[in-house]
Amino acid sequence: GAVVSQHPSWVICKSGTSVKIECRSLDFQATTMFWYRQFPKQSLMLMATSNEGSKATYEQGVEKDKFLINHASLTLSTLTVTSAHPEDSSFYICSASLAGGETQYFGPGTRLLVL
Amino acid sequence: GDSVTQMEGPVTLSEEAFLTINCTYTATGYPSLFWYVQYPGEGLQLLLKATKADDKGSNKGFEATYRKETTSFHLEKGSVQVSDSAVYFCAQRPAGGGADGLTFGKGTHLIIQP
Repeated sequence: GAVVSQHPSWVICKSGTSVKIECRSLDFQATTMFWYRQFPKQSLMLMATSNEGSKATYEQGVEKDKFLINHASLTLSTLTVTSAHPEDSSFYICSASLAGGETQYFGPGTRLLVL
Repeated sequence: GDSVTQMEGPVTLSEEAFLTINCTYTATGYPSLFWYVQYPGEGLQLLLKATKADDKGSNKGFEATYRKETTSFHLEKGSVQVSDSAVYFCAQRPAGGGADGLTFGKGTHLIIQP
């Protein structure tokens, strides 16, 4: 149980285009979902926290207009990288937790390459 | 701010060797501490956790003890197997409950040779 999926697993796009990444909790309802970013040989950095039905809370230094997060249901959160540029190339990972739960369940990640 | 520091890898060991991966943290208050493991091609999985000082988390032969006095949460296993080869992440979550994001270390790549 507690499986989280991400789609797509990898994406290549041209500079200036927008990319949407989906994060789904397959067998549980996730009150809270998190989005992380990981650069090569670096740790995962928390980008934002999203609660179903409310606006996401972004970490300091993360542009909310650049990284749009929508958490419309208890099983789906989306991250849209708007007007992507090569510096946005990275590995994006989502996680989900149950209501009041401490444990986060992670998706397999999405690798984004912006040309 | 809060941070997690863990030993750089890769760490290469022979099968049945003793494993220690060091992890220290800086935080305000007493965070919850976690070890996550990432097998090749898979997402991060929770390996073990501890929520207060002197707690010991354990799973699959791995252990880690929450040491408040040294702000450490070192991961140990007495006899590693080839199947333990993976990347291990130490992480913390702020004290106080609720759903908060995790602060991760950089990860330690463990390679076990037969």
